[in-house]
Amino acid sequence: DAGITQSPRHKVTETGTPVTLRCHQTENHRYMYWYRQDPGHGLRLIHYSYGVKDTDKGEVSDGYSVSRSKTEDFLLTLESATSSQTSVYFCAISESRGPVYGYTFGSGTRLTVV
Amino acid sequence: DQQVKQNSPSLSVQEGRISILNCDYTNSMFDYFLWYKKYPAEGPTFLISISSIKDKNEDGRFTVFLNKSAKHLSLHIVPSQPGDSAVYFCAATAGTYKYIFGTGTRLKVLA
Repeated sequence: DAGITQSPRHKVTETGTPVTLRCHQTENHRYMYWYRQDPGHGLRLIHYSYGVKDTDKGEVSDGYSVSRSKTEDFLLTLESATSSQTSVYFCAISESRGPVYGYTFGSGTRLTVV
Repeated sequence: DQQVKQNSPSLSVQEGRISILNCDYTNSMFDYFLWYKKYPAEGPTFLISISSIKDKNEDGRFTVFLNKSAKHLSLHIVPSQPGDSAVYFCAATAGTYKYIFGTGTRLKVLA
């Protein structure tokens, strides 16, 4: 395991409530990412970070915000959860040496919005 | 618009035979491609990669082929084993750290 943990692993929340998912890494990697996995859509990028306080939007960023105040932590917040945000969320990290190493993924957070 | 496509949602193969998983892409700027393997309740794990300057890369039982003119890559697993049963994602990047993933193919290797 590359030292990346996601919390919580499972969460059930009600529509309209705020939710924060946490990704913690011990690898000191510069790049961190949040993806969601849905049937028929594969893995889609929500937001990513290329350094402390440096973040940018991915392809499905609406309804999500992120923060990275420390190298090791990348938080994903659903300001007001909706049923369409029921998904499995994966955090990933990558080194800055180039694309050849790809990502290392966490084990995922299964979020259900009821 | 899906830039990376895996048109076969599922594939079943007999143990010992070859598994061929396919991936098509539309963006000619993609210059690096990876395959990931995912078991249930786990995160995807890196399997094999290929640069656009190559047309083949091999690692043990796994070989990835790239046909740039057809914008097509494939993953060959020979021989297939029951432990290879998983979802396989292809991913591509255009020289950045952001990868675009396909929708995945579920491989089932029958004992």
